[in-house]
Amino acid sequence: QSVLTQPPSVSAAPGQKVTISCSGSSSNIGNNYVSWYQHLPGTAPKLLIYENNKRPSGIPDRFSASKSGTSATLDITGLQTGDEADYYCGTCLSAGWVFGGGTKLTVL
Amino acid sequence: QVRLVQSGAEVKKPGASVTVSCKGSEYTFTSYDINWVRQATGQRLEWMGWMNPNSGDTVYAQKFQGRVTMTRDTSISMAYMELRSLKSEDTAVYYCVRASRSEIRRRWFDPWGQGTLVTVSS
Repeated sequence: QSVLTQPPSVSAAPGQKVTISCSGSSSNIGNNYVSWYQHLPGTAPKLLIYENNKRPSGIPDRFSASKSGTSATLDITGLQTGDEADYYCGTCLSAGWVFGGGTKLTVL
Repeated sequence: QVRLVQSGAEVKKPGASVTVSCKGSEYTFTSYDINWVRQATGQRLEWMGWMNPNSGDTVYAQKFQGRVTMTRDTSISMAYMELRSLKSEDTAVYYCVRASRSEIRRRWFDPWGQGTLVTVSS
């Protein structure tokens, strides 16, 4: 069980928008930056968002994120079947690092 | 292109140890911390610890303290993760991943190695 809480699953139709939440506390998200990772089956995780809302080069602007207080959200618009994956938030702790429990995105 | 390449799959018996290696290329190996993250089948990503390749300093997740050791050989840009006293629950894919150079509270992880499957079975 992670200290960062994500919904186990979300789903939406192609072309639609989905939001994935990541809830923490003042000891993690509240005082640190959040990053997001996409994990496709059988591949290595990939960085999607860093420092709460910044996209690395090559990540389409369909992916956006924000942070407010002790929670963060990842938005994916214009859903594509290739977006089906597990999504993880992550942030620093005083004694290291933690990932959220992960959210499985299904594109119906 | 910055890259991390890991060693191949391992099969171990309960109680044994395993060492996974991770070779960095196309960047200054000693300038970025290396993290180890694992994922058991159907489970979430689990951070195991990080190592400063320049100093050798390490921070381990409490869960793994006493059972994990992270080391490096800077002459060949290689990081190692040894996990001892293996149990069936340690069956997982193990990833090395580079941390950003930012202050720790701004840190992010990129790129990731391809993963190494470690199977613990009698």
